[in-house]
Amino acid sequence: SQQGEEDPQALSIQEGENATMNCSYKTSINNLQWYRQNSGRGLVHLILIRSNEREKHSGRLRVTLDTSKKSSSLLITASRAADTASYFCATDNQGGSEKLVFGKGTKLTVNP
Amino acid sequence: DTAVSQTPKYLVTQMGNDKSIKCEQNLGHDTMYWYKQDSKKFLKIMFSYNNKELIINETVPNRFSPKSPDKAHLNLHINSLELGDSAVYFCASSQRTGRSNQPQHFGDGTRLSIL
Repeated sequence: SQQGEEDPQALSIQEGENATMNCSYKTSINNLQWYRQNSGRGLVHLILIRSNEREKHSGRLRVTLDTSKKSSSLLITASRAADTASYFCATDNQGGSEKLVFGKGTKLTVNP
Repeated sequence: DTAVSQTPKYLVTQMGNDKSIKCEQNLGHDTMYWYKQDSKKFLKIMFSYNNKELIINETVPNRFSPKSPDKAHLNLHINSLELGDSAVYFCASSQRTGRSNQPQHFGDGTRLSIL
């Protein structure tokens, strides 16, 4: 079934370093979204990138999308301890139902 | 000024009981969702309502029954609770524009534990 798969499952870095997380999916999409989940909280939307876009920026976040490889990456630059969270990609299904399908997430730990 | 609020935050109950979780959004969105997140953090959609109409109904046991009294509210009633129902249940909402998904706004979850 269509599902985003994040890679790596867990990532531990030092404050100030960059963090890169990857997402692969299986079917054609209209758009791909990235969300953050802090421990014990709900998901927070970060960025939406459409299938006809290749790159998008928001503050310290940079998202790329390669529809030919069915993959996306999320780069967090100059990481902070407050970036510690789980990050999920979510895809819809072009021509299919309107639901979002979430990956299993990457757990990012930023050490001070 | 909470955008999506769900109650209760924690729910501990015995197997076989019936319980409800309530969700309200003040964002003026047309579409609301229920998700289940398991212990491995896997998040899976259960139901979606648009303007009180059911539009997504995944393969969920019929012990789970959503109810939307108006477009700002989506409640989830669970009958005959089982051990496997233990999870975190998230409510979310979004604006609906055609078939392209919009960003979803999530509540902080209801942690359901079945004893």
